[in-house]
Amino acid sequence: NAGVTQTPKFQVLKTGQSMTLQCAQDMNHNSMYWYRQDPGMGLRLIYYSASEGTTDKGEVPNGYNVSRLNKREFSLRLESAAPSQTSVYFCASVRTGQDTQYFGPGTRLTVL
Amino acid sequence: DAKTTQPNSMESNEEEPVHLPCNHSTISGTDYIHWYRQLPSQGPEYVIHGLTSNVNNRMASLAIAEDRKSSTLILHRATLRDAAVYYCTGPLVAGGTSYGKLTFGQGTILTVHP
Repeated sequence: NAGVTQTPKFQVLKTGQSMTLQCAQDMNHNSMYWYRQDPGMGLRLIYYSASEGTTDKGEVPNGYNVSRLNKREFSLRLESAAPSQTSVYFCASVRTGQDTQYFGPGTRLTVL
Repeated sequence: DAKTTQPNSMESNEEEPVHLPCNHSTISGTDYIHWYRQLPSQGPEYVIHGLTSNVNNRMASLAIAEDRKSSTLILHRATLRDAAVYYCTGPLVAGGTSYGKLTFGQGTILTVHP
């Protein structure tokens, strides 16, 4: 049982490049989330998926898109990366009926 | 938007109890209060949560004020491994359905001295 896994662990992009951050969970959870964490700050919600087939915007969705590929996987895409998107990105999941979120180890993204 | 307020930092000595406070004056009546912690270079991990009554688990205790406007996370005997950022959080978004969304503030940096 790996919990929540994220790939890649580190990534450096140039301004304007695109990339997709991958997240998968093996706990059969219904809801999944993407957060970003800037230095010295708390986490801010980018997008979430309450269940398979649904996605909704969080607090800071601009510049991002998401795909809930299936129950296990929830990806985050940056179409045209900007330096302001330099951050650590965390994926999380939770089982319906519970509020306890399980977080992945994070992806550290730098946009030059 | 509703939010939490925590001290920026606290210090403790090893083996001593630690009381981490949090104010959440705009919490709704049905929202749980959650605590997470984040060790250096890791994702947040769940510590404890509660609604109205005090709660205990193997990691910590949670004391919730009668009016639910504040809570205190209690680490009974701090260890060096407890040094982390502690977040008081929850679906503290005014109105609507939370779908388990958590709202994180800046948290409290806990330093534990040997």
